[in-house]
Amino acid sequence: AQSVTQPDIHITVSEGASLELRCNYSYGATPYLFWYVQSPGQGLQLLLKYFSGDTLVQGIKGFEAEFKRSQSSFNLRKPSVHWSDAAEYFCAVGGRAGGTSYGKLTFGQGTILTVHP
Amino acid sequence: DTAVSQTPKYLVTQMGNDKSIKCEQNLGHDTMYWYKQDSKKFLKIMFSYNNKELIINETVPNRFSPKSPDKAHLNLHINSLELGDSAVYFCASSQGLAGAFFGEQYFGPGTRLTVT
Repeated sequence: AQSVTQPDIHITVSEGASLELRCNYSYGATPYLFWYVQSPGQGLQLLLKYFSGDTLVQGIKGFEAEFKRSQSSFNLRKPSVHWSDAAEYFCAVGGRAGGTSYGKLTFGQGTILTVHP
Repeated sequence: DTAVSQTPKYLVTQMGNDKSIKCEQNLGHDTMYWYKQDSKKFLKIMFSYNNKELIINETVPNRFSPKSPDKAHLNLHINSLELGDSAVYFCASSQGLAGAFFGEQYFGPGTRLTVT
């Protein structure tokens, strides 16, 4: 069964500092990976996704993530955090086409990001 | 315009009651979902409907019954509420399961259900 672990429940950074949110997955094949962001009172919004190809993927709002198969990781990064990035971030793995998990997303527990001015 | 909306945003009720949460999407999608986010923040899929037909039905107590009157609406009715039902429930929509597959799934803001 697929699973996702986000080791950090809460991270605090200063505005302008760099950011890395960790995500580890468990999946029997090449995973389809996603990062979502949830701002207070809002639904989850897709930041970026990895399906295949280049292991460094770019997303919206200046975020990027790197897929590392050897480490089963898909960490989210941003070089310089803005106060508006304060939100909760969820990593997810998607089921492959043709499998019973197709169309289902398995989410991690989320990481709350606090940004200090 | 809110793409996926849920009502109510907050719901506080007592054990044993029956309650409903409504979801509507104006994206023209044909597939809708209910997710439950438990106290440990894990977000898990409960149901999915495609064109008003149930296509995903995870292991969920029979007390939970989704209903889709049309493809723009997916409501969740919960009978005989229990303390363990306290959670945040998210509705989502996509264009087919392929929409979810490619990450093109749009989520509502969530309904926080508290059972006392």
